[in-house]
Amino acid sequence: DGGITQSPKYLFRKEGQNVTLSCEQNLNHDAMYWYRQDPGQGLRLIYYSQIVNDFQKGDIAEGYSVSREKKESFPLTVTSAQKNPTAFYLCASSQRSPLYGYTFGSGTRLTVV
Amino acid sequence: GENVEQHPSTLSVQEGDSAVIKCTYSDSASNYFPWYKQELGKGPQLIIDIRSNVGEKKDQRIAVTLNKTAKHFSLHITETQPEDSAVYFCAAADYKLSFGAGTTVTVRA
Repeated sequence: DGGITQSPKYLFRKEGQNVTLSCEQNLNHDAMYWYRQDPGQGLRLIYYSQIVNDFQKGDIAEGYSVSREKKESFPLTVTSAQKNPTAFYLCASSQRSPLYGYTFGSGTRLTVV
Repeated sequence: GENVEQHPSTLSVQEGDSAVIKCTYSDSASNYFPWYKQELGKGPQLIIDIRSNVGEKKDQRIAVTLNKTAKHFSLHITETQPEDSAVYFCAAADYKLSFGAGTTVTVRA
């Protein structure tokens, strides 16, 4: 079955550590996105990529980094510069135009301990 | 950029009643308006969408209406059931999706 897979489902990070969240899709979608979701809030865009080896900052990119070396993969690194990283992180993909809707992964819950 | 506002933030309905969620958007260039349902601990799932050349779309108990002149669109759920309890997000797209803040719907048995 085609889909989008995020791992791990739960992740704990110590203060000052970098952590990387995985996102893989086998839908042959060109575009991929990372969103952050805080309790009671909507989805805020961190980074997006419309093509391999290219990506753009979203609304809250500070403290995060991404890479897009393969069409199927769009990992997100939460760096120590992100002051409040505890949140639910969602990855999504779409055809190059968003007018066909996004497919979301099941999310990664990151907690700073 | 696009700004999407969604109301209400919470909605409690009796089982069998209807639920209505309303959204407004700011960018007149937006031409695609999807709705997503998110259950606890899961990613959002697309439940219905509408494009700017259509005023209304229905899929069983779910319908969406769009008023491009007023720049608002709404989700209607009829004959609500307990499994409709979830968070619902509206979104608007020109070249990328912008999401509303979400509505937590609770269906009381």
